[in-house]
Amino acid sequence: AQSVSQHNHHVILSEAASLELGCNYSYGGTVNLFWYVQYPGQHLQLLLKYFSGDPLVKGIKGFEAEFIKSKFSFNLRKPSVQWSDTAEYFCAVQGGYQKVTFGIGTKLQVIP
Amino acid sequence: ETGVTQSPTHLIKTRGQQVTLRCSSQSGHNTVSWYQQALGQGPQFIFQYYREEENGRGNFPPRFSGLQFPNYSSELNVNALELDDSALYLCASSLAGVSEAFFGQGTRLTVV
Repeated sequence: AQSVSQHNHHVILSEAASLELGCNYSYGGTVNLFWYVQYPGQHLQLLLKYFSGDPLVKGIKGFEAEFIKSKFSFNLRKPSVQWSDTAEYFCAVQGGYQKVTFGIGTKLQVIP
Repeated sequence: ETGVTQSPTHLIKTRGQQVTLRCSSQSGHNTVSWYQQALGQGPQFIFQYYREEENGRGNFPPRFSGLQFPNYSSELNVNALELDDSALYLCASSLAGVSEAFFGQGTRLTVV
């Protein structure tokens, strides 16, 4: 069975601070990895995804994530957050048959 | 906007009743997945439909059932509603073989 663990459930940062959200997964085979974002009152949106190739993946709005296979990790980073990044962030893993398993989510609050 | 639409947006039902939630998938997508997102949790996979057949199921009891129609739209049915069924129900559509899923805004179900 596949599972996802997100380390931080609630993060508060000041604008311009750097962000790193931890994500670890467990699955015995090849995986696809995702970060989704849910802005207040909006639907889940794909931030970035990793299928194969370069383990450093760049997404929308200046976000990036690095897949480290040996650590089963897919951490999300952004060098300088903005107030508009306030949202809930979900790491997700897909191990087969398009079933996607989500982590519990991390609420990010950016203070102006 | 993702092109995935769900109806209704909000619903209140009484314990023991039955409910049907609807989802129109994005144009060209042949696969629909349903998720339950309880308060403070990440989305939990209920099941997936591909070409009108159930193609994968999460850890949900048989009173959760679904349908997919020839136009790839889908329904989620829940019988004998329980208070714990109160949650946001998300529909996601995708194209088989292409992993990225697009989510609707969800249906907020409250069971009283």
